[in-house]
Amino acid sequence: QIQLVQSGPELKKPGESVKISCKASGYTFTDYAMHWVKQAPGKGLKWMGWINTYTGKPTYADDFKGRFVFSLEASASTANLQISNLKNEDTATYFCARFYGPLDYWGQGVMVTVSS
Amino acid sequence: DIRMTQSPASLSASLGETVNIECLASEDIYSDLAWYQQKPGKSPQLLIYNANSLQNGVPSRFSGSGSGTQYSLKINSLQSEDVATYFCQQYNNYPLTFGSGTKLEIK
Repeated sequence: QIQLVQSGPELKKPGESVKISCKASGYTFTDYAMHWVKQAPGKGLKWMGWINTYTGKPTYADDFKGRFVFSLEASASTANLQISNLKNEDTATYFCARFYGPLDYWGQGVMVTVSS
Repeated sequence: DIRMTQSPASLSASLGETVNIECLASEDIYSDLAWYQQKPGKSPQLLIYNANSLQNGVPSRFSGSGSGTQYSLKINSLQSEDVATYFCQQYNNYPLTFGSGTKLEIK
């Protein structure tokens, strides 16, 4: 069955970096784009952007340009999200989701807490 | 960017009732509209896509309708397991945008 399994929760200090992984299984990884969505505590869903899993080309939403990097380990069917120079407002759950027009399969989410 | 205005923000209904959630797009999204259910501490789950197509495995008491800029999600015969927050999302144009969510509780 199709699964997206994300890495575990992270506790970081302001200014540090974090890398989150999303491992896909049950389908051909390069056939579907991978999207990333942020959800701050108690808030709604905010689209961050996506990565073409065939070419590796990332596209970022305006609010996520600069400190955010999408990457792939295609041989391992894994998409990664790296956030550098972490700020308090980056405290959130980050989801990866397979794009089929709608986002049809989601990872379980990774809670990133940024606190001094 | 396409703005998605979702209403109501919260909703309380009794078991067995029918509820409706609305989503208004700031421009025509040509039925490129999905509805998701998110239970506390869980990831969103796709319920409806293309405005009215039921995702595999989703109970038939969920249905979607609408076109142009106006869309709705209907839940018939409300069950206790339907307690969740529901989001609409358009995928007609980038950036993808979500409604602000409707929190559904049982009265």
